[in-house]
Amino acid sequence: SQTIHQWPATLVQPVGSPLSLECTVEGTSNPNLYWYRQAAGRGLQLLFYSVGIGQISSEVPQNLSASRPQDRQFILSSKKLLLSDSGFYLCAWRAEAQGWTEAFFGQGTRLTVV
Amino acid sequence: AQSVTQPDIHITVSEGASLELRCNYSYGATPYLFWYVQSPGQGLQLLLKYFSGDTLVQGIKGFEAEFKRSQSSFNLRKPSVHWSDAAEYFCAVGAYYGNKLVFGAGTILRVKS
Repeated sequence: SQTIHQWPATLVQPVGSPLSLECTVEGTSNPNLYWYRQAAGRGLQLLFYSVGIGQISSEVPQNLSASRPQDRQFILSSKKLLLSDSGFYLCAWRAEAQGWTEAFFGQGTRLTVV
Repeated sequence: AQSVTQPDIHITVSEGASLELRCNYSYGATPYLFWYVQSPGQGLQLLLKYFSGDTLVQGIKGFEAEFKRSQSSFNLRKPSVHWSDAAEYFCAVGAYYGNKLVFGAGTILRVKS
């Protein structure tokens, strides 16, 4: 069966420090991968999605970047964190298939920038 | 580009009462529609989905949703709410062309005994 791992679960980082959040999927090949950020009252904001290695679509120009160095690995990064980067970050995967399939989510990372 | 509106930020219902959470989408082609539920500090769990066919879809935990193309709506319903249903609910739409999955702002459900 497929599983998604996201870490760390909680992170407290100072303003101006770098960030690296990792997400990996097991049990499937060539998944579509997504990064979302959840802030109070703003729902799930789509940040990036990827349909293959090295293919990244950015939805919101901001202080973050994403990379997909391997088929089932999706990394969210920042060179210098801002206070406004605080939030709950969720990674999701969706099977590549004819038509649509549902997305499955990781347990999330709570990032607090201080 | 697609978008989703969940007009109710908070809803409070009594245990045993019926529930309807509203979702309106904007998309020019055939949408793929989902409802997810999130418990505090957790990831999202799929409740149900609509891809095609019967416009009334059944999901887990006794939830159902009805797709109404004329109203661009996909409202979630449950005939009798249980205290354990208290959570945040998200409606989402996937684009027929492309791979974007866009969510609404969510509705927080509180259940009072």
